[in-house]
Amino acid sequence: QSVLTQPPSASGTPGQRVTISCSGSSSNIGSNTVNWYQQLPGTAPKLLIYDDNQRPSGVPDRFSGSKSGTSASLAISGLQSEDEADYYCAAWDDSLNGRVFGGGTKLTVL
Amino acid sequence: EVQLVESGGGLVRPGGSLRLSCAASGFTFSSYSMSWVRQAPGKGLEWLSYISSSSSSTIYYADSVKGRFTISRDNAKNSLYLQMNSLRDEDTAVYYCARGSSFDPWGQGTLVTVSS
Repeated sequence: QSVLTQPPSASGTPGQRVTISCSGSSSNIGSNTVNWYQQLPGTAPKLLIYDDNQRPSGVPDRFSGSKSGTSASLAISGLQSEDEADYYCAAWDDSLNGRVFGGGTKLTVL
Repeated sequence: EVQLVESGGGLVRPGGSLRLSCAASGFTFSSYSMSWVRQAPGKGLEWLSYISSSSSSTIYYADSVKGRFTISRDNAKNSLYLQMNSLRDEDTAVYYCARGSSFDPWGQGTLVTVSS
């Protein structure tokens, strides 16, 4: 059971906009920034969004992050086949004194 | 190019020990905190341990590995380590090292298999 809650799956068609939610608590998302990671099949995770809504250089602006209270969201617009991957949210948890991850969301591009 | 390369994985019996290494290059290693994260087969990501840029100042562990795993670093060798003792079947996973508080980048991972 992950500390952060994500839907196990999401899907969309090419060109569509999809969102992935991440629900936490006051000790993690509510008081610390959220990062999002993309893990393509058979590869290591890659940072997609940091500090709630910042994109590292090289990440397309089709990817965006937001946060409100104890929940965060990742939005992907103009969905492409290469976006098919697992997506994870993460935040520091002040009660656990450690980083916590969501269980991951498998995105399928139909 | 910023690069992290893990090594030291392999097959080990339950109760055994293993030491993982993470070689860093392309950046000033001593300026960054580092972490270990693992991923069991077909499962999600699990954070294991954090060490601050100055290795003696701040270290954290997940409850699942506290007392069994020890994180350390050698800034002179640009290397991060994870000493794993009393290994269990459930420790079977790909182990990644990751840089900084944002975990950027990650290494390619090293597979640890605990099995009799």
